[in-house]
Amino acid sequence: NAGVTQTPKFQVLKTGQSMTLQCAQDMNHNSMYWYRQDPGMGLRLIYYSASEGTTDKGEVPNGYNVSRLNKREFSLRLESAAPSQTSVYFCASSDWSSGHNEQFFGPGTRLTVL
Amino acid sequence: AQSVTQLDSQVPVFEEAPVELRCNYSSSVSVYLFWYVQYPNQGLQLLLKYLSGSTLVKGINGFEAEFNKSQTSFHLRKPSVHISDTAEYFCAVSSYNTDKLIFGTGTRLQVFP
Repeated sequence: NAGVTQTPKFQVLKTGQSMTLQCAQDMNHNSMYWYRQDPGMGLRLIYYSASEGTTDKGEVPNGYNVSRLNKREFSLRLESAAPSQTSVYFCASSDWSSGHNEQFFGPGTRLTVL
Repeated sequence: AQSVTQLDSQVPVFEEAPVELRCNYSSSVSVYLFWYVQYPNQGLQLLLKYLSGSTLVKGINGFEAEFNKSQTSFHLRKPSVHISDTAEYFCAVSSYNTDKLIFGTGTRLQVFP
């Protein structure tokens, strides 16, 4: 039982390049989330998915797209990376329908955009 | 709308001393409350949560928190800290009718020998 896994762990991009961050969970959770973490700002929600086939914008969606490929996988895509997207990205999942709002987090992807 | 305020960005403390990390929230509806811990270069791990019932909640690693509805607070406490408690701590809130969490900006706890 791996929980929430993320790939890659580290990535360096040049401005304008694109990439996809991958996330998978093996806990059969319906809800999945993408956050970015920046110093002094806590975690900010980029996009989330309440169930397979649905996605919604969070607090900071500009410059990102997401795909809920199936119940297990939720990917985050940067189409044209900018230095302002240098951050640590976390994926999380939860079983909200059970009444417990606890979210389980992956280990993160550290992204640098030059 | 909900919000979370963590009043202290950094808390330095000596080993074996008590510590309190403060968290205040605002919400127009009833809430669930959480404390997460993030060790260096790792993801977030749940310390404890308040969903309902007893207002004193005990979590992992000897931490506890008390939900105070009148003061809209959920402060985290530990009577005696260890070096290994050095980490960043995040308070978070959600309401009954949403699956989203709102996080505070975090408190960095630094424990000195």
